Amino acid sequence: QVQLQESGPGLVKPSETLSLTCTVSGYSISSGYYWGWIRQPPGKGLEWIGSFYHSGITYYSPSLKSRVTISGDTSKNQFSLKLSYVTAADTAVYYCAREVPGTTFDYWGQGTLVTVSS
Amino acid sequence: EIVLTQSPGTLSLSPGERATLSCRASQSVSSSYLAWYQQRPGQAPRLLIYGASSRATGIPDRFSGSGSGTDFTLTISRLEPEDFAVYYCQQYGSSPITFGPGTTVDIK
Repeated sequence: QVQLQESGPGLVKPSETLSLTCTVSGYSISSGYYWGWIRQPPGKGLEWIGSFYHSGITYYSPSLKSRVTISGDTSKNQFSLKLSYVTAADTAVYYCAREVPGTTFDYWGQGTLVTVSS
Repeated sequence: EIVLTQSPGTLSLSPGERATLSCRASQSVSSSYLAWYQQRPGQAPRLLIYGASSRATGIPDRFSGSGSGTDFTLTISRLEPEDFAVYYCQQYGSSPITFGPGTTVDIK
C-alpha cells in the first residue's frame, strides 16, 4: 500500500526558507508517477504548489515558481519542498501526494501544519 | 489559468437525501479533465472522481460525476453519515492545475 508522510519544522520565521520532506513507502518514486505538493491555509481551499518526476523534471505553480524548489532523493525514496522568503500568507497545512502525471492526486500524506511567525 | 467556482458554498441535508454539487470553470476544461475530492475534518483529501465521471478505486457507486465543457456536477444519491464533508473540484486540462473553493455538505 502506498503511504506518504510529511516531515519538517512546524514553525518558520518570516523571510526564511520552509523545508519539508515527504517519505514514500510501498512504492518507488523512480517507478513512475509524479510526486507533488499541495497546501491548504487554515479554513481555506487547496492550492497546488508543484510536482516532480524522478528524472528531474519539475513544474511549478506560476504564482509560486520564483520561490519554490522541489527535488527528490531516490536512494531514500523521498522528495522535498523548499519555499523561500516565506510570509504569514504561507502558513498552511502542506500535503505531499502521488500525482498521476498531469492529472489527479491518488495518494496523499496526512499533512503537516507549517506556521510562519517570528 | 482556469478558475473554478463551486456552488452552493454550503449544502445542508439529512442522511438519505440526494446531494447535487456544482463546479463551473472560467473556460472550457479540455477532454473533461475534471476531478472531485472529498475532505473530512482533519483528514487529507480523497480522490472520488476523475475524467468528470469515472469513479476512483474503492469509491461507492452512490457517488457519480457528470458534465463537460465548463459545467460539472457531483451527485451523491443517498447521503451516508460519513459523506458529510467538504468537496473540491480540480481541473487538469490546462496548466496550472487548479482547485475550486469547495462545497461543504453538512447535516441539516
